[in-house]
Amino acid sequence: SAVISQKPSRDICQRGTSLTIQCQVDSQVTMMFWYRQQPGQSLTLIATANQGSEATYESGFVIDKFPISRPNLTFSTLTVSNMSPEDSSIYLCSVGAQGTNEKLFFGSGTQLSVL
Amino acid sequence: GEDVEQSLFLSVREGDSSVINCTYTDSSSTYLYWYKQEPGAGLQLLTYIFSNMDMKQDQRLTVLLNKKDKHLSLRIADTQTGDSAIYFCAESTGKLIFGQGTELSVKP
Repeated sequence: SAVISQKPSRDICQRGTSLTIQCQVDSQVTMMFWYRQQPGQSLTLIATANQGSEATYESGFVIDKFPISRPNLTFSTLTVSNMSPEDSSIYLCSVGAQGTNEKLFFGSGTQLSVL
Repeated sequence: GEDVEQSLFLSVREGDSSVINCTYTDSSSTYLYWYKQEPGAGLQLLTYIFSNMDMKQDQRLTVLLNKKDKHLSLRIADTQTGDSAIYFCAESTGKLIFGQGTELSVKP
């Protein structure tokens, strides 16, 4: 299993501002995944962050709104830009076993509230 | 399309068995997963089953897979109050598709 540290654990932000969420893994992994969990909902994949290339975004998510950095094999950031109350969610970072997209392990998440 | 469905709530008494059910649509799924989410926490991978298996047992947990009906279940034996959480099933189709989650409430 992987140990995933995510910060901040929670934040309350004003409409129109941006927040950058950091994810640190205790081992080198090729793929890191960012998920969103809206209140009372299931998890939705935002994007896959590959080291050395641009992130791959899922339908309904765009780079301008959710820019992602992946500077090395143990770290990634997700920025939630120009926030609105609809962005209030839990954002989760995850990695797969042995660098795959299987058997995902999750960080504890960032609880974001936008006023 | 990809879709995973679960019932939203289950309430059991402490010591009873819990059975949480899930249906999925993509028959090409390689693995199927069960995750547990406690309040304010991330998701914990509980167990998983490879698609060519029909049963997997791990201590108090039993996973049953019916590939023909695309039905997955998680049985928790001797359910404890500490098992109260939301349980998500997920299918793997190159990415993980999650169900809505089943909130398990265990009453003493």
